[in-house]
Amino acid sequence: RKEVEQDPGPFNVPEGATVAFNCTYSNSASQSFFWYRQDCRKEPKLLMSVYSSGNEDGRFTAQLNRASQYISLLIRDSKLSDSATYLCVVKGQAGTALIFGKGTTLSVSS
Amino acid sequence: GAVVSQHPSWVICKSGTSVKIECRSLDFQATTMFWYRQFPKQSLMLMATSNEGSKATYEQGVEKDKFLINHASLTLSTLTVTSAHPEDSSFYICSARDNRGHLTDTQYFGPGTRLTVL
Repeated sequence: RKEVEQDPGPFNVPEGATVAFNCTYSNSASQSFFWYRQDCRKEPKLLMSVYSSGNEDGRFTAQLNRASQYISLLIRDSKLSDSATYLCVVKGQAGTALIFGKGTTLSVSS
Repeated sequence: GAVVSQHPSWVICKSGTSVKIECRSLDFQATTMFWYRQFPKQSLMLMATSNEGSKATYEQGVEKDKFLINHASLTLSTLTVTSAHPEDSSFYICSARDNRGHLTDTQYFGPGTRLTVL
């Protein structure tokens, strides 16, 4: 079983749509959780950290359910510029590397 | 935010040659750097953890004699792909761990190096 699994995608949505991505992780000892965004042929960039209480950053909302080992990302009012691959990422204790999911590709069209 | 550079950004080489990739933290010291590899349509896979002044720790299945890592200073780690073959063609990305003051355990990624072995 992969350490981090994500929706297979791709997601093709019109501008203005709301889209949700899901992710599960296998290591219950994971301590930190993130969503990264990766554009084609570029390095991943941190989109937001994910907390158990849930957190929101503008049109983006992230949720973490430790009991179910489940992470989600909701994007409201999709923009063309949101088109990218979204990577679910988990990490163990301080100093350890990030573990990446395979990513889910989002394509927003006009 | 902190900046991490990689050089070169892309390289094309012949099979059998060695390629060195540099990863630098530009405005902070990084005792730990990580090297990842990403094949097309795949996730980033950790290759090794590079610690300044000590030997790198390699992930299972990564040949330490083929992928030489040197972390000789607090701002520079190098990855050398020795005797590269076409199957080594990939996107190599480093990240540097920033553990200054209150910024504990934030990792910043370099822009990546695209290696193509002919």
